[in-house]
Amino acid sequence: NAGVMQNPRHLVRRRGQEARLRCSPMKGHSHVYWYRQLPEEGLKFMVYLQKENIIDESGMPKERFSAEFPKEGPSILRIQQVVRGDSAAYFCASSRTGAEEKLFFGSGTQLSVL
Amino acid sequence: KQEVTQIPAALSVPEGENLVLNCSFTDSAIYNLQWFRQDPGKGLTSLLLIQSSQREQTSGRLNASLDKSSGRSTLYIAASQPGDSATYLCAVRYGMRFGAGTRLTVKP
Repeated sequence: NAGVMQNPRHLVRRRGQEARLRCSPMKGHSHVYWYRQLPEEGLKFMVYLQKENIIDESGMPKERFSAEFPKEGPSILRIQQVVRGDSAAYFCASSRTGAEEKLFFGSGTQLSVL
Repeated sequence: KQEVTQIPAALSVPEGENLVLNCSFTDSAIYNLQWFRQDPGKGLTSLLLIQSSQREQTSGRLNASLDKSSGRSTLYIAASQPGDSATYLCAVRYGMRFGAGTRLTVKP
């Protein structure tokens, strides 16, 4: 049983391009969380999704960022018109149900904006 | 809004020492608290999960306690080893907010 799978592992984009980060939760998990981590900083919550629903997006920037978790397929974090300040490690976590359950993390996607 | 604070930010100890990492949170209305370990350039590995109704959890040399009323948790590491060197993060649920972490270095 694979853990939380994130791809790509590394993503390089030029300013103004779009970045798509994918996260496949663990088998049987229907809750997905996205976090951003800047160098030497802790994890900042971005968004919490359940299948086909956004539960909490209070940590998501209002512009250029969006997330989805469709009925079929992975969760996608999309960043439009990337800027250098978007360079960070983006981590995805999943849990089987909601807040009572343990979170399992993927290895992250390192986004570099040139 | 939940705020999570971890002290110290960094800690360096000789091998074999027992040590305590601290985590405090401002809103006691939590479901649980989870301690993680993060190695450089890697994802997070879950260490211990304490439900809000529990006082402590133990796994090997690790012991985590939770005092929800005072908004505090501690992670106790016994007989530290160089392999314990990593950043340790605590996170509280509802919503899962993280502290900034404690960077631990255990010197041989």
